[in-house]
Amino acid sequence: EPEVTQTPSHQVTQMGQEVILRCVPISNHLYFYWYRQILGQKVEFLVSFYNNEISEKSEIFDDQFSVERPDGSNFTLKIRSTKLEDSAMYFCASRAGTSSYNEQFFGPGTRLTVL
Amino acid sequence: ELKVEQNPLFLSMQEGKNYTIYCNYSTTSDRLYWYRQDPGKSLESLFVLLSNGAVKQEGRLMASLDTKARLSTLHITAAVHDLSATYFCAVTYGGATNKLIFGTGTLLAVQP
Repeated sequence: EPEVTQTPSHQVTQMGQEVILRCVPISNHLYFYWYRQILGQKVEFLVSFYNNEISEKSEIFDDQFSVERPDGSNFTLKIRSTKLEDSAMYFCASRAGTSSYNEQFFGPGTRLTVL
Repeated sequence: ELKVEQNPLFLSMQEGKNYTIYCNYSTTSDRLYWYRQDPGKSLESLFVLLSNGAVKQEGRLMASLDTKARLSTLHITAAVHDLSATYFCAVTYGGATNKLIFGTGTLLAVQP
């Protein structure tokens, strides 16, 4: 069964460093998302991506964040200069997009720890 | 802006007992989802509810949706320890992007 994959599963970085989180959405899906979950809290929407551009972003998604689909399979989230408060679990999701009723499928997540 | 609230936030229950988790949302939405999350793990989709009066059941879990009241319930029947997890409801919001707005989560601990 097709699934969303994410790498790495855990990333430890120093404050101020750049990190890139990688996701491989389900093949032939058209909509891509990043969500984050700070430990013990709810899951929050960061950004959605369609047709090679951001379709919507939350107020959390400020200038230090960027997303890219560098090739036909990967979808990346870059954090330019990490802060302590960026420590969280980051989930990628994808949706087929042929109907508004298509479900989002979530990847296993990347745990980001900023020291 | 759409707000999604769940209660209770924490639920400790004994095996064999029944209980209900409630999910309220503030504005109209296309769909409502229930997810299960085990510690440190991803989100496992349990139910998708599309219309008013929808009811779905899987094992000891049953979910329902009342779109007029903007309320969904997740009912647990005869709880077992394996159901211990955090349960989130989420609603879609935002036209074509269909981003998910999640509830606060309910941490369920089933005691033997």
